[in-house]
Amino acid sequence: GNSVTQMEGPVTLSEEAFLTINCTYTATGYPSLFWYVQYPGEGLQLLLKATKADDKGSNKGFEATYRKETTSFHLEKGSVQVSDSAVYFCALKNTGFQKLVFGTGTRLLVSP
Amino acid sequence: GAVVSQHPSWVICKSGTSVKIECRSLDFQATTMFWYRQFPKQSLMLMATSNEGSKATYEQGVEKDKFLINHASLTLSTLTVTSAHPEDSSFYICSAGASGDVRLVETQYFGPGTRLLVL
Repeated sequence: GNSVTQMEGPVTLSEEAFLTINCTYTATGYPSLFWYVQYPGEGLQLLLKATKADDKGSNKGFEATYRKETTSFHLEKGSVQVSDSAVYFCALKNTGFQKLVFGTGTRLLVSP
Repeated sequence: GAVVSQHPSWVICKSGTSVKIECRSLDFQATTMFWYRQFPKQSLMLMATSNEGSKATYEQGVEKDKFLINHASLTLSTLTVTSAHPEDSSFYICSAGASGDVRLVETQYFGPGTRLLVL
């Protein structure tokens, strides 16, 4: 079956540090991959997505590359800000279906 | 962008009462809506998928008589927690997807969530 595995958190960084949150997946076929962000007390917001191998999704300084050979979709940002503190969810969806499969989420804490 | 709203954002109720949560797509027609439940520090658990005008499809282990879902129009779905108990306290999130609009077909748009506390 389909599944998503994320690194456990929390990830604690100082402002302007480099961020990597690992995400690997198991899926049949060729899924689309997503990163969602959940700020405290709010619902999920789509951060970025990639729909095929080697695609790079990017938004707000975050980026992730769809790596089919390693079944990975790691999230990166070159310089984090305090306002990036949130929970980040990696997710996948198979073509033709709308059901999303989420990872367990990784909490990011950025200190000044 | 596509906006999904939920109402109420917070609800506190007594054990044994029923609570209705609304999910609305504000600027697009949602043929499919999803209801999730999120436990503290855990991921989202899909509860059910509803398509406009038909019965919801519940995930394994979710009591359909406990969590009633109605998707009566292309912009509104409701989740009713019947005879709520303290263990039903959670954060409930809906999302909406659509077909026919290429911008939306590959994504779901999430509501801000409803926090339910059953005393």
